[in-house]
Amino acid sequence: GAGVSQSPSNKVTEKGKDVELRCDPISGHTALYWYRQSLGQGLEFLIYFQGNSAPDKSGLPSDRFSAERTGGSVSTLTIQRTQQEDSAVYLCASTNRNTIYFGEGSWLTVV
Amino acid sequence: KQEVTQIPAALSVPEGENLVLNCSFTDSAIYNLQWFRQDPGKGLTSLLLIQSSQREQTSGRLNASLDKSSGRSTLYIAASQPGDSATYLCAVISWGSQGNLIFGKGTKLSVKP
Repeated sequence: GAGVSQSPSNKVTEKGKDVELRCDPISGHTALYWYRQSLGQGLEFLIYFQGNSAPDKSGLPSDRFSAERTGGSVSTLTIQRTQQEDSAVYLCASTNRNTIYFGEGSWLTVV
Repeated sequence: KQEVTQIPAALSVPEGENLVLNCSFTDSAIYNLQWFRQDPGKGLTSLLLIQSSQREQTSGRLNASLDKSSGRSTLYIAASQPGDSATYLCAVISWGSQGNLIFGKGTKLSVKP
């Protein structure tokens, strides 16, 4: 596609439920990032995928968070047993090793 | 550990003014530095990318400079317009951790007509 596509754009879920957020990067981009942005806060790095290398998971806040990238393209971020503090915008980005392109984000609200 | 700071946190100017946004980083061993714009409720749009070997980049009314030795970058916006109102974010990638783009908290710019 023309840009980074994320779905769902908005998600309201009950505390304790699992959620999956999807990211379709720009075709041909080998690197993919997930970031989290809480209300009024800066961007928090979560995870980075580069080609077939092992992902850099150093930013994942707890073992309730996981991500995978199938076939070097689409990525899914999974949050298990969601908590209210997980409410945030989850931003995906991809790059061709230079300019980084962000999606519009998935707005997650845990009630 | 790389840390990125942006000053001021918020800025309000009248239309037509030239302005400068500041970004500082603690580790000068950077791979590149990028300036982004974020509109309310939207994702980030890349404005300018400066490689570590470069001193500045220009795009239209925007000019970004990089001084690695002092750990600073500035984003200069000429002849500001109300449409420039947004949050401007600076981010760096450090050598050895190309997977981790470290962001500042941004400067929220308001340009009054």
